Amino acid sequence: GENVEQHPSTLSVQEGDSAVIKCTYSDSASNYFPWYKQELGKRPQLIIDIRSNVGEKKDQRIAVTLNKTAKHFSLHITETQPEDSAVYFCAAKKASKIIFGSGTRLSIRP
Amino acid sequence: GAGVSQSPSNKVTEKGKDVELRCDPISGHTALYWYRQSLGQGLEFLIYFQGNSAPDKSGLPSDRFSAERTGGSVSTLTIQRTQQEDSAVYLCASSLQGSGVGGGEKLFFGSGTQLSVL
Repeated sequence: GENVEQHPSTLSVQEGDSAVIKCTYSDSASNYFPWYKQELGKRPQLIIDIRSNVGEKKDQRIAVTLNKTAKHFSLHITETQPEDSAVYFCAAKKASKIIFGSGTRLSIRP
Repeated sequence: GAGVSQSPSNKVTEKGKDVELRCDPISGHTALYWYRQSLGQGLEFLIYFQGNSAPDKSGLPSDRFSAERTGGSVSTLTIQRTQQEDSAVYLCASSLQGSGVGGGEKLFFGSGTQLSVL
């Protein structure tokens, strides 16, 4: 079955700097890769997603890249702000099954 | 409803007791997922439903866990003979459609059931 690995598990960056979170997946048949943000005590919410026929997608300060050959995808957050502090989860979807990575706790230092 | 509703929000039970967790998805959402989140950990896939069918039950940790969905709507996750290691937040999520292209795959999560097994 699909396995999604996510790194790093924790990340601390200075406010205004960029943050990068990386994921790998095992099943080449996976075709949809969403990213969810979970703030403390709240439910996960979708922030951006990418399909296997696209290499990169941007939405304001957030971007996701996908390398199908290497089975890697990454989340990039630029100009980080305090409200970016949260746990971020990557995921991979094959058919209807969505498997999540273990999460990255992102802290933004003032 | 306005969102995915889960009940109870908190459940404290004694080891060996059975528990039922309920999920009421967004109306019209055909796909429904159950995940388990232990303290500070990731989202562990348990099971998903497409309509009333559960094509993949491979994530259920043991035969003490079962789930059903009726009428393409409400789902119940049942844990029999609970153990302390079952303590976690159980999250339900639904999406407009589970498969296919063109969107509709965004998961809407409920607020979860915090299960504590003493």
